[in-house]
Amino acid sequence: ETGVTQSPTHLIKTRGQQVTLRCSSQSGHNTVSWYQQALGQGPQFIFQYYREEENGRGNFPPRFSGLQFPNYSSELNVNALELDDSALYLCASSLQTENTQYFGPGTRLTVL
Amino acid sequence: QQQVKQSPQSLIVQKGGISIINCAYENTAFDYFPWYQQFPGKGPALLIAIRPDVSEKKEGRFTISFNKSAKQFSLHIMDSQPGDSATYFCAARLGETSGSRLTFGEGTQLTVNP
Repeated sequence: ETGVTQSPTHLIKTRGQQVTLRCSSQSGHNTVSWYQQALGQGPQFIFQYYREEENGRGNFPPRFSGLQFPNYSSELNVNALELDDSALYLCASSLQTENTQYFGPGTRLTVL
Repeated sequence: QQQVKQSPQSLIVQKGGISIINCAYENTAFDYFPWYQQFPGKGPALLIAIRPDVSEKKEGRFTISFNKSAKQFSLHIMDSQPGDSATYFCAARLGETSGSRLTFGEGTQLTVNP
């Protein structure tokens, strides 16, 4: 059984740029959730994708967007990067019918 | 109403001691309460979880105590070991109609001294 994988591991961007982060869900999982974890804080829910559609969104602006593909993998896109977007971005996969979310190792984004 | 409050922010215990981390919530719509362990540079890993219709759950050295009327729950780590040194997060889940989102506490940095 393959766990949740994310790419890239680290990324450095400048303010105003756009970034795409990628996530492959655990084998058999049909739901992907994205979280932002600022340094020293708990993860904050960005949004969730199920059956290729957004299924719930946290308090994040529209410049945070996502996709889910037929193989259940997912992308997080962030436009017009701001300094405060610097964080660890976590992807979690799950089965829609079960409670547990399994997290990947995250992508560390630094915005300069 | 979405918040989960966690305490203490940091905790130092001796090897073999008991580590206790507490969380409180407001939203009675939360239906699932997991605890995650996170090591530096890694994603959170599920430790143990409980539903609100159960008052206690034990798995190995880890126990969750849940008080539904007080809207509080806690993690007890028995016989704490240096390898338990990590950051611990409590979380609470809003159900499927809200995208099954997890709301996390601020985290507790646990240090277990040898």
